[in-house]
Amino acid sequence: NAGVTQTPKFQVLKTGQSMTLQCAQDMNHNSMYWYRQDPGMGLRLIYYSASEGTTDKGEVPNGYNVSRLNKREFSLRLESAAPSQTSVYFCASSEGLGGTDTQYFGPGTRLTVL
Amino acid sequence: AQSVTQLGSHVSVSEGALVLLRCNYSSSVPPYLFWYVQYPNQGLQLLLKYTTGATLVKGINGFEAEFKKSETSFHLTKPSAHMSDAAEYFCAVRPFGNEKLTFGTGTRLTIIP
Repeated sequence: NAGVTQTPKFQVLKTGQSMTLQCAQDMNHNSMYWYRQDPGMGLRLIYYSASEGTTDKGEVPNGYNVSRLNKREFSLRLESAAPSQTSVYFCASSEGLGGTDTQYFGPGTRLTVL
Repeated sequence: AQSVTQLGSHVSVSEGALVLLRCNYSSSVPPYLFWYVQYPNQGLQLLLKYTTGATLVKGINGFEAEFKKSETSFHLTKPSAHMSDAAEYFCAVRPFGNEKLTFGTGTRLTIIP
């Protein structure tokens, strides 16, 4: 039982390049999330998926797209990377979308955009 | 709209001393409250959460937190700090009936030998 896995762990991009961050969970959770973590700003929600086949914008969606490929996998795409997207990206999953549901986090992807 | 304030971005305590990390929230409806811990180069993991019922919540690794509605607070404590407690701690709030989880900006805890 690996929980939430993310690939890659580290990535360096040049401005304008594109890339996809991959996330998978093996806990049969319905809901999945993408956050970014920046110093002094805590975690901010980029996009989330309440269930397979649905996605919604979070607090900071500009410059990102997502795909809920199936129940297990939720990817985050940067179409044209910018230095402002340098951050640590976390994927998380939970059984449901609200209430007392606990979110389980992956180990993160550290992205640098030059 | 809900918000979370963590007082003190950095806290240092001596090994064996009391740990107190402060969290205050604002919410128009009663909230569910969470504390997460992030060890270096790792993702966040749940320490404890308040749902309903008993206001004193016990979590993992000897941590506990008390929900005080009158003070809109959910401070995290541990009676005796251990070197392994060095990490960043995040308070989060989700109002009842709302699906959005809002995180505080975090408090980095340093343990002095």
